[in-house]
Amino acid sequence: GQQVMQIPQYQHVQEGEDFTTYCNSSTTLSNIQWYKQRPGGHPVFLIQLVKSGEVKKQKRLTFQFGEAKKNSSLHITATQTTDVGTYFCAGPLSTDYKLSFGAGTTVTVRA
Amino acid sequence: DVKVTQSSRYLVKRTGEKVFLECVQDMDHENMFWYRQDPGLGLRLIYFSYDVKMKEKGDIPEGYSVSREKKERFSLILESASTNQTSMYLCASGVGNTYNEQFFGPGTRLTVL
Repeated sequence: GQQVMQIPQYQHVQEGEDFTTYCNSSTTLSNIQWYKQRPGGHPVFLIQLVKSGEVKKQKRLTFQFGEAKKNSSLHITATQTTDVGTYFCAGPLSTDYKLSFGAGTTVTVRA
Repeated sequence: DVKVTQSSRYLVKRTGEKVFLECVQDMDHENMFWYRQDPGLGLRLIYFSYDVKMKEKGDIPEGYSVSREKKERFSLILESASTNQTSMYLCASGVGNTYNEQFFGPGTRLTVL
């Protein structure tokens, strides 16, 4: 079964509000990556986190890697309609040499 | 910019047909991947390749095979298409470790009737 879990599966957000989506792994990850897929599009790499406790920001997006390197979060402030899409986290499980993707969080925005 | 192209955006085939999905990347990447994407299941790896003529099974290789005769091209083959192979197929490429950042193509939506 899938070992990289994302919650929630769906996020309905009022424009201007903040929200957070979470990614959890059953094993330690050497890195965690986040991708965004717009409706009708393909996944596009956003960022990679490598260090325990690492925090990175891209404008209104804040990415965090957990201290145990088994979880990650993506926080979006002041949500805009351009944030619509599905956000995937992905990482190599401890014994693996390939990325395992979560099922994604699909974000819709109410104007 | 990295460009990954796939031979078709939409494809309709009949059960039992042999199907070829082609992927080409223009950035001299050594790693190439084939995923299928289904609602609620995210991206599942079918096969990947880290070098010409090399291939490794992913999580769901059954019913699929691949070919990598040239560095820039990675083909996914469905030997005998079945209705449960109706899906979105995404190709990706990357450099270095096979778990590094990946660049995706636009996808091929395959329908098997």
